[in-house]
Amino acid sequence: QVQLVQSGAEVKKPGASVKVSCKASGYMFITYYMHWVRQAPGQGLEWMGLINPNSGSTSYAQKFQGRVTMTRDTSTSTVYMELSSLRSEDTAMYYCAIVAGYWGQGTRVTVSS
Amino acid sequence: QSALTQPASVSGSPGQSITISCTGTSSDVGTYNLVSWYQHHPHRAPKLMIYEGTKRPSGVSSRFSGSKSDNTASLTISGLQTEDEAHYYCCSYASNGPWVFGGGTKLTVL
Repeated sequence: QVQLVQSGAEVKKPGASVKVSCKASGYMFITYYMHWVRQAPGQGLEWMGLINPNSGSTSYAQKFQGRVTMTRDTSTSTVYMELSSLRSEDTAMYYCAIVAGYWGQGTRVTVSS
Repeated sequence: QSALTQPASVSGSPGQSITISCTGTSSDVGTYNLVSWYQHHPHRAPKLMIYEGTKRPSGVSSRFSGSKSDNTASLTISGLQTEDEAHYYCCSYASNGPWVFGGGTKLTVL
């Protein structure tokens, strides 16, 4: 069965970077673009960007341009999302997802001094 | 890109039907038949309920249906059940950024 398994919770200080992983299984990794979506406390879902696992090409939401980097490792069927220059407003649950409707379990990132 | 517009909350009694609207623009909902709807319970990953505007994934109850008119997509839930109480988000493909979400609607089953 399709599974997207994300890395564990992170606590970071303002200004630091965080790198979240998402390991895919149960389907051909290069078939679906991988999207990243976040939800801040009390807020709605927010699309951050996507990566094409086949080519490695990316597309980022304007809001995150310059701060987010998405990469992939085809040998392990894993995608990564790195967010830099963290601020308190980046405290959120981060999800990876594919358009077929499968989502990771979420990774909580807390930014606090 | 701007978020799609959803009502903040809707409510209904068990057995009733409710409809949640999702208003976008000609750059997203109005042009592409690529609206999806997600059900989101606290502390769980969102669950896909409708994709490509009207299609239900395997395992999703036929009580959930989707439609679209011009720049507005809608999710209808018939025969409301208590377990339907959750947040619902619409999501559309957009020409200026592949996905755009609505702000979310809290459904309360009274």
